[in-house]
Amino acid sequence: QKEVEQDPGPLSVPEGAIVSLNCTYSNSAFQYFMWYRQYSRKGPELLMYTYSSGNKEDGRFTAQVDKSSKYISLFIRDSQPSDSATYLCAMRENYGQNFVFGPGTRLSALP
Amino acid sequence: KAGVTQTPRYLIKTRGQQVTLSCSPISGHRSVSWYQQTPGQGLQFLFEYFSETQRNKGNFPGRFSGRQFSNSRSEMNVSTLELGDSALYLCASSTGTGTEGYTFGSGTRLTVV
Repeated sequence: QKEVEQDPGPLSVPEGAIVSLNCTYSNSAFQYFMWYRQYSRKGPELLMYTYSSGNKEDGRFTAQVDKSSKYISLFIRDSQPSDSATYLCAMRENYGQNFVFGPGTRLSALP
Repeated sequence: KAGVTQTPRYLIKTRGQQVTLSCSPISGHRSVSWYQQTPGQGLQFLFEYFSETQRNKGNFPGRFSGRQFSNSRSEMNVSTLELGDSALYLCASSTGTGTEGYTFGSGTRLTVV
């Protein structure tokens, strides 16, 4: 079992839909969480950075962390064709340690 | 503010050769992390440098090495290249204080033939 799992996708949604992207993990010591978006042939772009449990909102994006269930989510409201990309979650235990990445979920937001 | 710059963008090398990749982090950032990305394994951590010292190392063979200079620029070197080293190599920059996430460069795509 991998340390961080994601739904592999691809996930296809119509424009304007609400998208839910999810990660589960096995290491209960993880407390720093990130979400990245990666377009084809580009480096990952940081969307959200959160610490511990709770919600964080930034524009159309909401990150949710449930440490008791070892589960994090990224919600995208009013999805646009430009949201079509691979979404990666990443997490680490403490400052000074490396982030562990999930395998990514490919999203297609269709016009 | 300039982003993370990786050079070269593309490389083709022959098995057995060695290669050096370069990364210039965001100005003021002291931490540089290197990741290997392949379709099968995803993003795998290679190593992190902070203020010219290796702070963390992933589970890669000794053929993979790196260093960081006093201006925070970093290089990674792969010796005795194997076909399986073909990948996108990504460099990530941060302040190193743990208060924010990484900013990635566009990567160097290495093809070993």
